[in-house]
Amino acid sequence: QKEVEQNSGPLSVPEGAIASLNCTYSDRGSQSFFWYRQYSGKSPELIMFIYSNGDKEDGRFTAQLNKASQYVSLLIRDSQPSDSATYLCAVNTGNYQLIWGAGTKLIIKP
Amino acid sequence: DADVTQTPRNRITKTGKRIMLECSQTKGHDRMYWYRQDPGLGLRLIYYSFDVKDINKGEISDGYSVSRQAQAKFSLSLESAIPNQTALYFCATSSGTSGGYTDTQYFGPGTRLTVL
Repeated sequence: QKEVEQNSGPLSVPEGAIASLNCTYSDRGSQSFFWYRQYSGKSPELIMFIYSNGDKEDGRFTAQLNKASQYVSLLIRDSQPSDSATYLCAVNTGNYQLIWGAGTKLIIKP
Repeated sequence: DADVTQTPRNRITKTGKRIMLECSQTKGHDRMYWYRQDPGLGLRLIYYSFDVKDINKGEISDGYSVSRQAQAKFSLSLESAIPNQTALYFCATSSGTSGGYTDTQYFGPGTRLTVL
């Protein structure tokens, strides 16, 4: 059973601080990793994806991938109240399907 | 704007009824997916289709069926609805042209289904 694990939270972070969200996966053959943001009652929207070990930056967001340790993380710098949402990690294990984590609820406190 | 739309947005039905959820897209994508989302659980794949003549079962297809009427339309049916099918249902699309491992999925707004 291929699994993707995320801490459900909520993770509470002060405004302006760095929020760190983590995701672990069970399938060593996993090839690419996606972070989506989902506001309550809304649909998931893509933040970014990563497929190479190391860091990938996009604005205030940085994805970090460590395939040897089977984890991927998302850092949000200068957190804003509008970043309060549930963050979903999804893993492509190579058959064009995504395996999804249950998400981490992030709360940014003003 | 190229978009993914779902109808209805909300539906309340009774046990045993047949119900159809519809998805349309103007993104020109070949690949379409149906997911359900339950509180505390990740998105779970019900069915997916890579083109009009290609239909595949996902993780939780029992109790569901689909129809790909055209490249832009993908419908999900519950032949005889039961209460544990109460969930938020999402349609998603992807182009399939950006490389298999970076093929990004784009979601419709969702249908909230309640089966009494």
